[in-house]
Amino acid sequence: QQQVKQSPQSLIVQKGGIPIINCAYENTAFDYFPWYQQFPGKGPALLIAIRPDVSEKKEGRFTISFNKSAKQFSLHIMDSQPGDSATYFCAASRDDKIIFGKGTRLHILP
Amino acid sequence: DAGVIQSPRHEVTEMGQEVTLRCKPISGHDYLFWYRQTMMRGLELLIYFNNNVPIDDSGMPEDRFSAKMPNASFSTLKIQPSEPRDSAVYFCASGTSGGGVSRQYFGPGTRLTVT
Repeated sequence: QQQVKQSPQSLIVQKGGIPIINCAYENTAFDYFPWYQQFPGKGPALLIAIRPDVSEKKEGRFTISFNKSAKQFSLHIMDSQPGDSATYFCAASRDDKIIFGKGTRLHILP
Repeated sequence: DAGVIQSPRHEVTEMGQEVTLRCKPISGHDYLFWYRQTMMRGLELLIYFNNNVPIDDSGMPEDRFSAKMPNASFSTLKIQPSEPRDSAVYFCASGTSGGGVSRQYFGPGTRLTVT
């Protein structure tokens, strides 16, 4: 019940395409769903996050879609650029617990 | 602000040696987290502290691992004795009470190699 399943493990997209990364959780007690972005040789950094009372959140070219009934959420990157190439982690959290997905290595081809 | 500071950035040691990783959180942050990252297992939360008190250490793999936070500006993660399977990148992260466990600021990591 504490798992966050993330897919795909890796993704290659042409510049300008829309990569989509999916996550599923099991525990309905989670109430906050952040995404972290990690560049090679760096620590992860908070990118965008959503609460389950909204179905979508946009920040620039990054959008989270949230389906509470299906216990799934996804990250979309509009007009993707080579600089978006990184590893992306979804997570699910509540007051005292955070669980990360295993990450998706995204490569945007120039 | 300098961000989360970790030292050393790289550590190479022989099996059986003691390894100590150090972390200085962002000033004013009252949460501190230790993670281990490997290709096989991804990003694993080992332990976290709130106001210098360990809250959840369920991710600590075994008794060879220990973590301390003697004050608000310093924490250590110790592995004794180290084994080759401990080779990984270890991250420290910090956060505020406003963000809780959800909004974390990660350090640059320590790459540990145990031969």
